[in-house]
Amino acid sequence: GDSVTQTEGPVTVSESESLIINCTYSATSIAYPNLFWYVRYPGEGLQLLLKVITAGQKGSSRGFEATYNKETTSFHLQKASVQESDSAVYYCALGEGGTGSNRLTFGKGTKFSLIP
Amino acid sequence: GPKVLQIPSHQIIDMGQMVTLNCDPVSNHLYFYWYKQILGQQMEFLVNFYNGKVMEKSKLFKDQFSVERPDGSYFTLKIQPTALEDSAVYFCASSPDRDEQYFGPGTRLTVL
Repeated sequence: GDSVTQTEGPVTVSESESLIINCTYSATSIAYPNLFWYVRYPGEGLQLLLKVITAGQKGSSRGFEATYNKETTSFHLQKASVQESDSAVYYCALGEGGTGSNRLTFGKGTKFSLIP
Repeated sequence: GPKVLQIPSHQIIDMGQMVTLNCDPVSNHLYFYWYKQILGQQMEFLVNFYNGKVMEKSKLFKDQFSVERPDGSYFTLKIQPTALEDSAVYFCASSPDRDEQYFGPGTRLTVL
């Protein structure tokens, strides 16, 4: 079946430093799945951060970016300069989209916080 | 943004009893989902529901599980009877189309 593997947390960096959370996927049910990053801030529900449905494209939101790389089957999340408000758990996910099933397959999540 | 609500936030129940988890989806959404997350593991798809019917269910959606949305009200997940391995956080989601899903905060189910 489909699977998603992401950086095992927790991840800590200093304020204003850059952040990268790696995500690789394996999609057996579809050649080019839709790719998502979801985020859960403390005390809140899961919410969509960004999505990319076309291979080769980049998505961005709130200073975060992720590029859909079909050659390496990766969708790494990056931010150039993090701040306290970015502390959260980040989840990479894939979905079939189109006329296929719209179930999502998630990674285990990566907890990020600033170095105190 | 749009909010999905889940009631209750935490439920403790004895093994063998029935439990119903309630989800209040975004009002104009048409697709509904349940996911299960066991502590330390990833969130896993259970079932999706559209137009009054189950569209797809995973192998985690045991015969003891059922879903419904009577009269357009709550979207519910019922487990009857419960087992110890049903202890998990259950997340409801809804979407207006086959794209972005909006998630609720989860219901933590503890089966004793």
